[in-house]
Amino acid sequence: SAVISQKPSRDICQRGTSLTIQCQVDSQVTMMFWYRQQPGQSLTLIATANQGSEATYESGFVIDKFPISRPNLTFSTLTVSNMSPEDSSIYLCSVARDGNTEAFFGQGTRLTVV
Amino acid sequence: DAKTTQPPSMDCAEGRAANLPCNHSTISGNEYVYWYRQIHSQGPQYIIHGLKNNETNEMASLIITEDRKSSTLILPHATLRDTAVYYCIAPSHNNNDMRFGAGTRLTVKP
Repeated sequence: SAVISQKPSRDICQRGTSLTIQCQVDSQVTMMFWYRQQPGQSLTLIATANQGSEATYESGFVIDKFPISRPNLTFSTLTVSNMSPEDSSIYLCSVARDGNTEAFFGQGTRLTVV
Repeated sequence: DAKTTQPPSMDCAEGRAANLPCNHSTISGNEYVYWYRQIHSQGPQYIIHGLKNNETNEMASLIITEDRKSSTLILPHATLRDTAVYYCIAPSHNNNDMRFGAGTRLTVKP
């Protein structure tokens, strides 16, 4: 398994500001993903974080709102930009060593926008 | 990704086996079936995955039908700590981008 550290674990932010969430893995992984879980809902995939290139976004998510970086095989960041109360969710990082292997999840960042 | 269908909720008595079904009738021959669970306020936890053969680990057993159109996750002796939402996922081949449905909310009762 992989040990995933997400920071911050929670935050309360003012509307209109941005928050950057960090995901650090204890070993090199090929795949990294970002998810959102809105209150009472299941997880929704935001994007695949690609090392050295632009992230691949799912329908309904755009780079201007959720810029993602992945400078190496153990680290990625997700920024939630120009936040509104509707962005209040848990944001989770997921990693996998390669295709057809299990993915592991961080404990998430609980974001509240006021 | 193959579409998966799970019952929204199930109850199980503590100490008994919990059998959680999943239908994935559109699964292709090289797509795995993965099971995860999410205990309240925590990140999803990987349980088990399989392709064709039945699988067993320290957490659970996975039974996949011969035609691969459905599977069952078995928790052999459910405890109160197994109360969680259980997700069955069949991502497309060579992908780990798990796409979550609504899952099954399992409640283990004393």
